[in-house]
Amino acid sequence: GAVVSQHPSRVICKSGTSVKIECRSLDFQATTMFWYRQFPKQSLMLMATSNEGSKATYEQGVEKDKFLINHASLTLSTLTVTSAHPEDSSFYICSARRTDQETQYFGPGTRLLVL
Amino acid sequence: ILNVEQSPQSLHVQEGDSTNFTCSFPSSNFYALHWYRWETAKSPEALFVMTLNGDEKKKGRISATLNTKEGYSYLYIKGSQPEDSATYLCAFRSSNTGKLIFGQGTTLQVKP
Repeated sequence: GAVVSQHPSRVICKSGTSVKIECRSLDFQATTMFWYRQFPKQSLMLMATSNEGSKATYEQGVEKDKFLINHASLTLSTLTVTSAHPEDSSFYICSARRTDQETQYFGPGTRLLVL
Repeated sequence: ILNVEQSPQSLHVQEGDSTNFTCSFPSSNFYALHWYRWETAKSPEALFVMTLNGDEKKKGRISATLNTKEGYSYLYIKGSQPEDSATYLCAFRSSNTGKLIFGQGTTLQVKP
């Protein structure tokens, strides 16, 4: 099957610091990767879509300068939460899709806590 | 605003019971409907991708149906087992935005 890893699984940081989350497709090439955010008791909300080698497309209301996305290779996308604040504390999860398939494969997610 | 609703929000059943839950989605601009099973601390696992009205898909004791004209999908679990305990997510992809819109999920607890 298609496996997507995400690292770290949990991170605690101080307010004002930046945090980088990595998303890797381990056994397939992902031309498109997606970043979602989930608040407690809510559904997964799409933050941005990234295509390898091009700029990410952000959803309305998501600050691109706050959430930097890089998709430098067909197996790696990174999300950097810059100058994190307590309100950025959330669950972030990535997914990846092959060019020729409809299915999106998810990583296990990252729990971010900003103190 | 595209809305995907799942019901019930949570469900407790006894081992051996059969159960089903619902995903409602917009009936226009349909492209695909996805079902995922999400166990705690794991990645959501893709169960089904359904694209045609009237589709029925099956994977072991789990099956799903799709009605795109009225905008709903049912997920059925036959003879529930404790290992079926998880949150089941559905997600709708519209043909005009191409994005997956998720429901809030149905959390199933199967008691031995």
